[in-house]
Amino acid sequence: QKEVEQNSGPLSVPEGAIASLNCTYSDRVSQSFFWYRQYSGKSPELIMSIYSNGDKEDGRFTAQLNKASQYVSLLIRDSQPSDSATYLCAVKFGNTPLVFGKGTRLSVIA
Amino acid sequence: GAVVSQHPSWVICKSGTSVKIECRSLDFQATTMFWYRQFPKQSLMLMATSNEGSKATYEQGVEKDKFLINHASLTLSTLTVTSAHPEDSSFYICSAPKDTDTQYFGPGTRLTVL
Repeated sequence: QKEVEQNSGPLSVPEGAIASLNCTYSDRVSQSFFWYRQYSGKSPELIMSIYSNGDKEDGRFTAQLNKASQYVSLLIRDSQPSDSATYLCAVKFGNTPLVFGKGTRLSVIA
Repeated sequence: GAVVSQHPSWVICKSGTSVKIECRSLDFQATTMFWYRQFPKQSLMLMATSNEGSKATYEQGVEKDKFLINHASLTLSTLTVTSAHPEDSSFYICSAPKDTDTQYFGPGTRLTVL
């Protein structure tokens, strides 16, 4: 059974702080990793994808991948109230559809 | 801009009627599309994989005769909820992969069955 685990939260951070969202997955063979953001009542939107070990930065977002530890994280720098949402981690296991975690709810307090 | 569209964005219907939801990939072809359902405050649940030119693949526990999927072309998949009941009220979201693995979601369709 392919699994993706996330802490459901809520994770509360003050405005301007770094929010750190974590995700672990069950299969070492996984090659593709994604972070999505979902606002309440809306569909998920893609934030970042990462395929190689290390860090990948895009604006205020940094994705970190450690395949040996089966761990992928998302850092949000200078968090804003508009970042308050549920963040979904998704992993591509072979040829199967993306497997999503249950999501971590982030609350950025002004 | 959006890469996947859905129509309608919301629909209200009477119990026992059928509802069709369309999912289109914009400016790219998708031989595969995915249909999800999400109840309030719950996680995404994959219902089925829509395959162009062949039968859809349904996840365990999803009734294929109730949720009819037709992948009519390389840019269009439809989900028909047949004989809808109040318990089918949910947020239905489709997605399509572009550039190999990257999956983009449509804006979703909120179904309310009275």
